[in-house]
Amino acid sequence: GESVGLHLPTLSVQEGDNSIINCAYSNSASDYFIWYKQESGKGPQFIIDIRSNMDKRQGQRVTVLLNKTVKHLSLQIAATQPGDSAVYFCAESPSGGSYIPTFGRGTSLIVHP
Amino acid sequence: DTEVTQTPKHLVMGMTNKKSLKCEQHMGHRAMYWYKQKAKKPPELMFVYSYEKLSINESVPSRFSPECPNSSLLNLHLHALQPEDSALYLCASSQANLGNDEQYFGPGTRLTVT
Repeated sequence: GESVGLHLPTLSVQEGDNSIINCAYSNSASDYFIWYKQESGKGPQFIIDIRSNMDKRQGQRVTVLLNKTVKHLSLQIAATQPGDSAVYFCAESPSGGSYIPTFGRGTSLIVHP
Repeated sequence: DTEVTQTPKHLVMGMTNKKSLKCEQHMGHRAMYWYKQKAKKPPELMFVYSYEKLSINESVPSRFSPECPNSSLLNLHLHALQPEDSALYLCASSQANLGNDEQYFGPGTRLTVT
């Protein structure tokens, strides 16, 4: 079936560097995308979302880019900090239905001081 | 208050036991969810309640029984579980289940079935 996936299961960066976490999706009917951060021992935490009528959205230190042509989603974290170390999940939701996100595989971000 | 609370934090139970997981939110949300998360895997949807009525059951075995006593509470009753049911059980809520509402997750209950 169609699913959301990630290219890199683990990403290691140095403190202060920019991080890019990628996500591929295959459901062309998806029109709403979300990035979650899950720290050890905690539930997923909403970071940022984007709708399919946009290709870029910025938050505080985070930017989400959406390329619908190649069904690709990315999360950019500027000036990565040790507190950003976590597992990051992308999730997608199709149009025309209830908000039931399908989570991708997840990427573990490790920030070295 | 933007918090979803879950109790207990940890639970160890035998295969013949009956136990319940509890979830509470006071944000006025009318949609509540149960997810199961195995180690290093994404959360998997189990149940969705919308306005205190069960709206989605993702073919979950009957040994898991959800209950929504009121708009603030969500329970998951467990009976005759198997060791493979050991996982982190996450509760979430959102304003409504009408599309594209931000979900708030609780910290989860770490369940071990022996």
